[in-house]
Amino acid sequence: GAGVSQSPRYKVAKRGQDVALRCDPISGHVSLFWYQQALGQGPEFLTYFQNEAQLDKSGLPSDRFFAERPEGSVSTLKIQRTQQEDSAVYLCASSSGINTEAFFGQGTRLTVV
Amino acid sequence: AQRVTQPEKLLSVFKGAPVELKCNYSYSGSPELFWYVQYSRQRLQLLLRHISRESIKGFTADLNKGETSFHLKKPFAQEEDAAMYYCALSGGYSGGGADGLTFGKGTHLIIQP
Repeated sequence: GAGVSQSPRYKVAKRGQDVALRCDPISGHVSLFWYQQALGQGPEFLTYFQNEAQLDKSGLPSDRFFAERPEGSVSTLKIQRTQQEDSAVYLCASSSGINTEAFFGQGTRLTVV
Repeated sequence: AQRVTQPEKLLSVFKGAPVELKCNYSYSGSPELFWYVQYSRQRLQLLLRHISRESIKGFTADLNKGETSFHLKKPFAQEEDAAMYYCALSGGYSGGGADGLTFGKGTHLIIQP
């Protein structure tokens, strides 16, 4: 595709439910990032992949959050036992390498009820 | 810890008036600074980065290490400049991955006719 694609665009989950958010980066992009953007806030870094290797997961807020990129392209962010404070827009970004422009997806808006 | 501060949540200017969006940062090393923009119903996109020293859509930003600032300026505001603007910092591996970003909370720029 022409840009970073995220699905679903919107997700409503009941508290305690598990969710999986998908990111299709730009083809050939080595670096992939996940960010969490709460209402009225800027995006906050969650985790970073270089190809299939997760090199930094320091921003994941708890062990309920898990991300993978098994073949170095598509990535999935999984949140187990969702809680209300997990409600946010989850953004994925990819770039062709270190210190190159990051291109963002349109995000997945997660609402936990 | 690295931090980006955008003191104004909302900035309203008249069309044709000068625009200045403030950004201050804290970082112990040599940061790379960016401005990202999000137009209504569009994805987050890079506007400019300090190492490029470019003018994009009439906007410029100068990194002032003494004042730890990276304010975004435009001499004459246009209606199409209305958007959400985020200042961001990339400080290397710690605090956000190889080039993961630390964002400010954003400033909503409104252009009055």
